[in-house]
Amino acid sequence: GENVEQHPSTLSVQEGDSAVIKCTYSDSASNYFPWYKQELGKRPQLIIDIRSNVGEKKDQRIAVTLNKTAKHFSLHITETQPEDSAVYFCAAGYSGGGADGLTFGKGTHLIIQP
Amino acid sequence: DGGITQSPKYLFRKEGQNVTLSCEQNLNHDAMYWYRQDPGQGLRLIYYSQIVNDFQKGDIAEGYSVSREKKESFPLTVTSAQKNPTAFYLCASSAAGGDYEQYFGPGTRLTVT
Repeated sequence: GENVEQHPSTLSVQEGDSAVIKCTYSDSASNYFPWYKQELGKRPQLIIDIRSNVGEKKDQRIAVTLNKTAKHFSLHITETQPEDSAVYFCAAGYSGGGADGLTFGKGTHLIIQP
Repeated sequence: DGGITQSPKYLFRKEGQNVTLSCEQNLNHDAMYWYRQDPGQGLRLIYYSQIVNDFQKGDIAEGYSVSREKKESFPLTVTSAQKNPTAFYLCASSAAGGDYEQYFGPGTRLTVT
């Protein structure tokens, strides 16, 4: 089955700086890569996703890049703000055979230092 | 935030008792999932169901049971056989297949003493 590795487990950055979280996946059939944000005590919520037919996607301060050859994808947050502090999960899935849905990474705790 | 609900938000039980966690969705999703979340462990899949009256074990199914009698509902029972039941439990739903967004419920925090 699919295996998703996520790094780092904790990331501390100064407010206003950029943050990058990286994930690798093992199954070349995976073609859907979402990122979820989970604030303390809350449910995970989708913040951005990318499909394998594109290499990059941006939404304001958030961007995701995908390298299918290397089987890795990354989340980039620019101009970080205090409300960006949360746990971020990457995931991988594929159409047609993904009966068990998404495979999640173990999460990155992002801390924004004032 | 609407669409998928879990109840109760907090649940306390004595060791040796079975307990059932509720999950309901009105998103008309075929697929539903149960995850367990422990600090530093991410989201671990307990059970999933792609269609009514069918469900499959996930990575950590031992000590848990589910049913899927209605499309909207996917209750999880934590049995006395589960050795470490204290955790945060999240239910999710999605359109069928592995390339669709999963929508999560607000979670149930279960404490067993």
